[in-house]
Amino acid sequence: AQSVTQLGSHVSVSEGALVLLRCNYSSSVPPYLFWYVQYPNQGLQLLLKYTSAATLVKGINGFEAEFKKSETSFHLTKPSAHMSDAAEYFCAVRPKAAGNKLTFGGGTRVLVKP
Amino acid sequence: DGGITQSPKYLFRKEGQNVTLSCEQNLNHDAMYWYRQDPGQGLRLIYYSQIVNDFQKGDIAEGYSVSREKKESFPLTVTSAQKNPTAFYLCASSLIPGQGADEQFFGPGTRLTVL
Repeated sequence: AQSVTQLGSHVSVSEGALVLLRCNYSSSVPPYLFWYVQYPNQGLQLLLKYTSAATLVKGINGFEAEFKKSETSFHLTKPSAHMSDAAEYFCAVRPKAAGNKLTFGGGTRVLVKP
Repeated sequence: DGGITQSPKYLFRKEGQNVTLSCEQNLNHDAMYWYRQDPGQGLRLIYYSQIVNDFQKGDIAEGYSVSREKKESFPLTVTSAQKNPTAFYLCASSLIPGQGADEQFFGPGTRLTVL
């Protein structure tokens, strides 16, 4: 079965600093990969997705993620954190051959300090 | 505007009662999903439906039931058999599964509290 691991349940960054959220997946075949963001008491919003077209994926709000097959990783970054980036972030994977069932990581909550 | 609506936003239930959470979408999506979210555990799939009048159990279906009588609607019933129902419930929808990397779109959620 697929699994997704997000290292660090909480991350604290200063405003203007780099945001780095880690995501590793377990799969022998590269899946589709997604990053979602969730603000308090709201649903999830898609930040970006990897579809195998390009290893560096740009998303909304200045976020981007790089797919590294050799490391089975899909880490999310933003060069300069903004106060509005405080939220919870989820990495998710979906096998290419098995319908549309997503498997989510446990989430990483980001705190942005002024 | 196209999107997914869930109601109510907050729901309180006494032990032993069944409650039904509503989920409606106007995105013309074929597939719909229900997830449960608990702190630190990410999202876990309860049930999903790829077509009207058909649905499948997810990873944690025990104590829940669903129906899919219309394409736009996918209500979830939390039964008294669910031992720990207090959680945040999220509904999602997507295009037909298997058609590329189509993402799931999420509703705003319903927070259920058992008193």
